Amino acid sequence: NAGVTQTPKFQVLKTGQSMTLQCAQDMNHEYMSWYRQDPGMGLRLIHYSVGAGITDQGEVPNGYNVSRSTTEDFPLRLLSAAPSQTSVYFCASRAGSGTQYFGPGTRLLVL
Amino acid sequence: AQKITQTQPGMFVQEKEAVTLDCTYDTSDQSYGLFWYKQPSSGEMIFLIYQGSYDEQNATEGRYSLNFQKARKSANLVISASQLGDSAMYFCAMREALSGSARQLTFGSGTQLTVLP
Repeated sequence: NAGVTQTPKFQVLKTGQSMTLQCAQDMNHEYMSWYRQDPGMGLRLIHYSVGAGITDQGEVPNGYNVSRSTTEDFPLRLLSAAPSQTSVYFCASRAGSGTQYFGPGTRLLVL
Repeated sequence: AQKITQTQPGMFVQEKEAVTLDCTYDTSDQSYGLFWYKQPSSGEMIFLIYQGSYDEQNATEGRYSLNFQKARKSANLVISASQLGDSAMYFCAMREALSGSARQLTFGSGTQLTVLP
């Protein structure tokens, strides 16, 4: 039982490049979400999903796309990377009203 | 208005002493949950403790307890007998029972705790 896994751990992009941050969970959780963490601002919700095929926007969705084709996977796509997207990205999952479990994070630097 | 407010950017505590990390929240919902997470320098988010709005007793998990004062809308984390390994950033978070993104966690800005030997 690996919990929530994220790849890659680190990534450097140039402005305008696109990439996908991967997130997977093996706990059969319905709810999955993506957060970004910037210094002094805590974690902010980007997108979330309440089940396969259902996604919705969080607090800071601009510049990001998500899809949820399976219960296990919830990738986050950066369409055209900008320096403002330099951050640490966390994926999380939970079952119903249960505790939210976080992945180890992806550190992204956009030059 | 901030949904979660942590007014202490940094705190110091002597090893073996107790420390209280403050958290106040803002919600009009009657049903909600409050969470505390620990983030050590390695970066992972570690769940510590949970308090439901209808729970009559304060939550406890080992050396962690949550001082829940519903009328004041505060959910302070108390760490007893601090250890050097408790040095980390601590985040308070809330999940409301409303629909939409409010059902996901909203985080405070965190408190950096340093335990002194």
